[in-house]
Order: sequence, then structure tokens, then C-alpha cells
Amino acid sequence: DVKVTQSSRYLVKRTGEKVFLECVQDMDHENMFWYRQDPGLGLRLIYFSYDVKMKEKGDIPEGYSVSREKKERFSLILESASTNQTSMYLCASSPDGDEQFFGPGTRLTVL
Amino acid sequence: AQSVTQLDSQVPVFEEAPVELRCNYSSSVSVYLFWYVQYPNQGLQLLLKYLSGSTLVKGINGFEAEFNKSQTSFHLRKPSVHISDTAEYFCAVSDPFGNEKLTFGTGTRLTIIP
Repeated sequence: DVKVTQSSRYLVKRTGEKVFLECVQDMDHENMFWYRQDPGLGLRLIYFSYDVKMKEKGDIPEGYSVSREKKERFSLILESASTNQTSMYLCASSPDGDEQFFGPGTRLTVL
Repeated sequence: AQSVTQLDSQVPVFEEAPVELRCNYSSSVSVYLFWYVQYPNQGLQLLLKYLSGSTLVKGINGFEAEFNKSQTSFHLRKPSVHISDTAEYFCAVSDPFGNEKLTFGTGTRLTIIP
């Protein structure tokens, strides 16, 4: 059974803190993605990676960075969290050219 | 650039009635099309996908969708809904020759009325 796991389901941080969101997949997929989900806006792509140490900006990369040191792990970093980064964050992985498999999400609140 | 429009943000339907959730896309190239479902407090799960071949695609939980190239649509249908179908549904499109990115619509919240 395919599996994408995210390090936390719920996270509360303070403005200015550095935040790490971790995502691990056990399917040996090449591609990994980070989205944020906001009511009325659907899912918006932050960053994606199609190989180890490779990263590409998505539609809303500002205020975020990513790291992919191992094939199975893709980390999202908020260098200095702000209240407008309060959101649901979803990680996904995919083999080439096919569906994406999603993790359960991390609901981040920045106070 | 690709885009996806889901015109209905909320759809209430009585239990055992049929439902259609609308999805229109725009793209200058051929596309792959997907419908995902998100149950409360969960991630997204694939319902069905169109990659090529037959334009009528059947998915899980009794859902189906029809790819209509001339109308650039990929509407999702179910002949008889159940309470357990209450969820948010997302349509998505990708470029088969691109970089694996999915472009999502804004979602449709389906509420089943007992």
C-alpha cells in the first residue's frame, strides 16, 4: 500500500519562527510536491522536485524554501513564519506522468 | 498555461439523487485530467483519471467522468449519492509532456442531505 507521511497533523508556531515540515514517501517516486490549501483557493503549488537535490518553484514560492537530500524525503521550510502562512500544507509524490499520492496534511497556525 | 474552473463551490444533493460536478479546463496542449476527493480532515485521494483512450472513465465509489474535448470539460457524475459521499471534490489537469505539475480547480463541496 502506497504511503506518504507528514511529520505533524497540527502545528502552532509564533511569528518569526523557522518552521520545518517534513514529508516522506515509501514508493520510490521521482517527483515530490508541496501545496498549500486555503478555502476558496483550492491547492496551490509551492515547490516541487523531480530528483534528489533538484527543486523547481511552483506558483507561490515566496516565503518558502525546500530541501531534498534523499529521494524519499522532501522538506518545506518557512524561514520566518508569518500569519499569512497559516494554512493546510499538503505533500504529494508521483511516478513519472501519472497521478499524485497525497499525505494527510499539516494544519499550520502562525500566531 | 493551464487552468481549471469549477464553477460550483457548493452543491447540496438529497441522498440517493444523482449528482454532476462540473469541471472545465483551458490548455493549448493535450491534457491528462483527474478528479480527487478530500474527506474531512484527510488528504486527497484519487477518484479517477483520464490519460487517453475511452472518453468515459469509471472510478471508485461509483463515480464516472466524461472527457469532452470540444467543450474542454471533464464533468464528474454519480447516479445515486450516499451520505458517505459528503466531501470536497477537486478537478485537476496536467500536461502529458510537461513537468508532472498538476493545476487544481478551487474545489466543489458536496453535501448530501438525508
